[in-house]
Amino acid sequence: GENVEQHPSTLSVQEGDSAVIKCTYSDSASNYFPWYKQELGKRPQLIIDIRSNVGEKKDQRIAVTLNKTAKHFSLHITETQPEDSAVYFCAASGTNAGNMLTFGGGTRLMVKP
Amino acid sequence: EAQVTQNPRYLITVTGKKLTVTCSQNMNHEYMSWYRQDPGLGLRQIYYSMNVEVTDKGDVPEGYKVSRKEKRNFPLILESPSPNQTSLYFCASSLRPDSSYNSPLHFGNGTRLTVT
Repeated sequence: GENVEQHPSTLSVQEGDSAVIKCTYSDSASNYFPWYKQELGKRPQLIIDIRSNVGEKKDQRIAVTLNKTAKHFSLHITETQPEDSAVYFCAASGTNAGNMLTFGGGTRLMVKP
Repeated sequence: EAQVTQNPRYLITVTGKKLTVTCSQNMNHEYMSWYRQDPGLGLRQIYYSMNVEVTDKGDVPEGYKVSRKEKRNFPLILESPSPNQTSLYFCASSLRPDSSYNSPLHFGNGTRLTVT
């Protein structure tokens, strides 16, 4: 099955700096890569996703890039703000529709004011 | 409001005492799933359901049961809870997965379970 690894596990940045979180996946047939943000004590919520026919996608201060050849994808947050502090999960959808998404281990992002 | 509702939010129980965590969605989603979240391990899938009366094991099904008698409800049952099932549990739903289109997962607010 699919295996997703996420790095780093914790990331601390100064407000205004950029943050990058990287994920690798194992199943070359995976075709859908969402990112979820989980604020403290709350549920994960989708912030951005990318499909395998696209190399990059942006939404205001966040962007995701996908390298299918290398089987990795990354989340980029620019001009970070304290409210960006949260745990971020990447995920990949493999060929097993029932399993749907395999999640990475999460990255705790701390943005220092 | 479109949502996934889990109950209870917090539950403390003792080893061996059967419990059920309820999950209900009002979006007419075919797909529902249960995850447990543990530090450093991300979200691991316990069971999922593609439709009414159709359920399958995820990555960590041992010690859990589910049922899908109605489209909107997908309860998680722990027949004999043990301390290693202490965790944060999330129910989620989405439109039916399809090889050409993936629908985002909508998560419930979570249930924090402690088994002593």
